Amino acid sequence: AQTVTQSQPEMSVQEAETVTLSCTYDTSESNYYLFWYKQPPSRQMILVIRQEAYKQQNATENRFSVNFQKAAKSFSLKISDSQLGDTAMYFCAFFRSGTYKYIFGTGTRLKVLA
Amino acid sequence: NAGVTQTPKFQVLKTGQSMTLQCAQDMNHEYMSWYRQDPGMGLRLIHYSVGAGITDQGEVPNGYNVSRSTTEDFPLRLLSAAPSQTSVYFCASSYSSAGETQYFGPGTRLLVL
Repeated sequence: AQTVTQSQPEMSVQEAETVTLSCTYDTSESNYYLFWYKQPPSRQMILVIRQEAYKQQNATENRFSVNFQKAAKSFSLKISDSQLGDTAMYFCAFFRSGTYKYIFGTGTRLKVLA
Repeated sequence: NAGVTQTPKFQVLKTGQSMTLQCAQDMNHEYMSWYRQDPGMGLRLIHYSVGAGITDQGEVPNGYNVSRSTTEDFPLRLLSAAPSQTSVYFCASSYSSAGETQYFGPGTRLLVL
């Protein structure tokens, strides 16, 4: 069974600094997708970034970028120039083609300090 | 475009009561799903649907029923509420079941006494 592990329950970062959230996953398949979702205090789940496993290039979205290491099964999220509005719970998620099921990690609570 | 909507926002039930959590999307998405979020456990898939008339179980289906009679609606039924079902419930949808981005509703907070 696929699993997603986020080993950092909580992290903090100073405003304007850079922080990296880690995510590892376990699969023997080659065709899958990875996601990072943000859940601010409002509770709304918002997509941060999506990565297709067959693409070697790391996905980026403004201040958010990933380091996708397929062989190591690692999918970390880097947030540059952290802003107070980045304070949220961040979830890593995995989807394997043909299973119809998204698997979520347990989340990392990030606090950006002024 | 309202996206994914959920009702109610908050509900208190007594043990043994039944209720239906509503979910609707207006994006013509084929794939819809229900999750529960509990502290320290992330989001766990309850049921999902790949299209009207097609549903299947997720990771934690016990105590819940679903149906999908239309593309737009995907209600979640609690048959006999238990305190263990106290949680925040999210509905999500995506264009297809091929690894597309899921769009989430605002969530329903359920308290079972």
